[in-house]
Amino acid sequence: DAKTTQPPSMDCAEGRAANLPCNHSTISGNEYVYWYRQIHSQGPQYIIHGLKNNETNEMASLIITEDRKSSTLILPHATLRDTAVYYCIVRLNNNDMRFGAGTRLTVKP
Amino acid sequence: GAGVSQSPRYKVAKRGQDVALRCDPISGHVSLFWYQQALGQGPEFLTYFQNEAQLDKSGLPSDRFFAERPEGSVSTLKIQRTQQEDSAVYLCASSSGPRGVNSPLHFGNGTRLTVT
Repeated sequence: DAKTTQPPSMDCAEGRAANLPCNHSTISGNEYVYWYRQIHSQGPQYIIHGLKNNETNEMASLIITEDRKSSTLILPHATLRDTAVYYCIVRLNNNDMRFGAGTRLTVKP
Repeated sequence: GAGVSQSPRYKVAKRGQDVALRCDPISGHVSLFWYQQALGQGPEFLTYFQNEAQLDKSGLPSDRFFAERPEGSVSTLKIQRTQQEDSAVYLCASSSGPRGVNSPLHFGNGTRLTVT
């Protein structure tokens, strides 16, 4: 599976949009982009995934560039409860997830 | 319950003891995964089951680690002769599809193992 690169940490003001970037320049055509987050002392929580089209659900939006080499997770109105480590993963079908170090997002009041 | 359930939530073992960690996946989920998460790091893959068949155990760090899912539902991860380096959070995840089908993994909250 392709590797991903994420900034180690980001801050966001409460109520503002949080935009979390991810680079996956070696992604292959049939690999999906997945986003998970992990709040302290909990297991990773599924957020969203996509192949090449932008996706939106009740939690977030996923924007994938046309060449699929990068993506952005958008939390439209960040709250304090969104403080967590966010993982971007590229995955082939239902193979195991390979997690990196993720981005530690801190939402500040 | 609706989610993946793991027990115990916390386990303290003396070095050399054997431990057994239990995972109850979401009902009907075909795929089950075990991960190990060291402090401050992302989860690392250990092993994968499709129903009762263990199709991938490439991530198990040594032959002291053994996993089973005999009836294709509940799974147990066993660690024999625990060592201090085994201290970590052990996460279980399940998904509805088999390999080759794209479906999200749903994780439990893990078992925190501390070996003293």
